[in-house]
Amino acid sequence: QVTLKESGPGILQPSQTLSLTCTFSGFSLSTYGMGVGWIRQPSGKGLEWLANIWWDDDKYYNPSLKNRLTISKDTSNNQAFLKITNVDTADTATYYCARIGEIPFAYWGQGTLVTVSS
Amino acid sequence: DIVLTQSPALAVSLEQRATISCKTSQNVDNYGISYMHWYQQKPGQQPKLLIYEGSNLASGIPARFSGSGSGTDFTLTIDPVEADDIATYYCQQSKDYPLTFGSGTKLEIK
Repeated sequence: QVTLKESGPGILQPSQTLSLTCTFSGFSLSTYGMGVGWIRQPSGKGLEWLANIWWDDDKYYNPSLKNRLTISKDTSNNQAFLKITNVDTADTATYYCARIGEIPFAYWGQGTLVTVSS
Repeated sequence: DIVLTQSPALAVSLEQRATISCKTSQNVDNYGISYMHWYQQKPGQQPKLLIYEGSNLASGIPARFSGSGSGTDFTLTIDPVEADDIATYYCQQSKDYPLTFGSGTKLEIK
């Protein structure tokens, strides 16, 4: 059974760095073809893809966030991470992680709400 | 970036057919595979994969849901519509990075 769960700070101030963790089970990021992606959704709005990391440590980022994103993984502990630097109120959203592989975004976490506010 | 265009809302009667369209700004086919996927999202829940690669039904999804299309024009069909299908439906392409989603179609009951 594949499960994913996101965790984050809940609230942070503008200009700070947002650190998110995706803890998963039922698959391994050391398995050929497996990956984890991050997607966010502001309240009442649509979905925005942020980044993917693959089993071979290949990484892809959404260029709309320029150089603010860093994705990484800890294969031993079944975790993936996303950092977003220099946050502002536009980064307020629910952040999801999802498994990618032979089928894209087949499994999603429940999401974690992040609010950026001074 | 590949832009995906969906109508904002669709109203249908229960037990009728719902047809949700997604048009892409570029071809999302490659070597006979359509890199187009459909998700259902209910309020307060995470998205759920319904259809992958254009027409493949995801695990556990009822056969009332089907996907069709190729190239730049895709359709998600729900037939017949049930009350539990009230949700927002998103298309998403994985042909090219950056991965992109449509803006969503909200399914409403007449």
